[in-house]
Amino acid sequence: DIVLTQSPEFQSVTPQEKVTITCRASQSIGSSLHWYQQKPDQSPKLLIKYASQSISGVPSRFSGSGSGTDFTLTINSLEAEDAATYYCHQSSTLSPSFGQGTKVEIK
Amino acid sequence: EVQLVESGGALAQPGGSLRLSCAASGFTFSLFAMNWVRQAPGKGLEWVSTFSGSGDTTYYADSVKGRFTVSRDNSKNTLYLQMNSLRAEDTAIYYCAKSYGAYIGYFFDYWGQGTLVTVSS
Repeated sequence: DIVLTQSPEFQSVTPQEKVTITCRASQSIGSSLHWYQQKPDQSPKLLIKYASQSISGVPSRFSGSGSGTDFTLTINSLEAEDAATYYCHQSSTLSPSFGQGTKVEIK
Repeated sequence: EVQLVESGGALAQPGGSLRLSCAASGFTFSLFAMNWVRQAPGKGLEWVSTFSGSGDTTYYADSVKGRFTVSRDNSKNTLYLQMNSLRAEDTAIYYCAKSYGAYIGYFFDYWGQGTLVTVSS
């Protein structure tokens, strides 16, 4: 099974600062990597599909990059409403998996 | 508007059974793979099972294989999860999630609000 490892697990960030979250896969998954945002007491919401493709309705400050085993979610100019836990998800195999999550707190 | 509404979560005893349901609307249900994803209290997301939108192919996480059974009734636009031989570690919020395509191997574009399953004596 493919293991996804996110770093950092926690980040405390000032508004307008740039946030970078990485997701490393235990083997190559091409671009079959997606990002979700989960706010407290809410269900997850799709942010980025296939590593770098944007989703309609998601603010443009969210972007993704990477391929193979190393991926990055970037939040440019963090806003207070971005306080959430972010998960990566691989759909490359018949056993999908998620990263352990990165909690972003607003200072 | 796509809507996914889970139900059936409850308190169950270890070794007991529960059946979860996910009522879908706002899209052609039969065309898309549907998934169950769970989240233990204070923990991350764990994929549980997928039922394909084409044919009757099902997939399970090793942690539930042989105990859980996923099914769907396309005439009722409903996805089910039959959970048997429940264990304490099955305690979680169970989310229903729609796949972007008919097969396993897509991202999850819509999620329900979840239903809580608690396994305890």
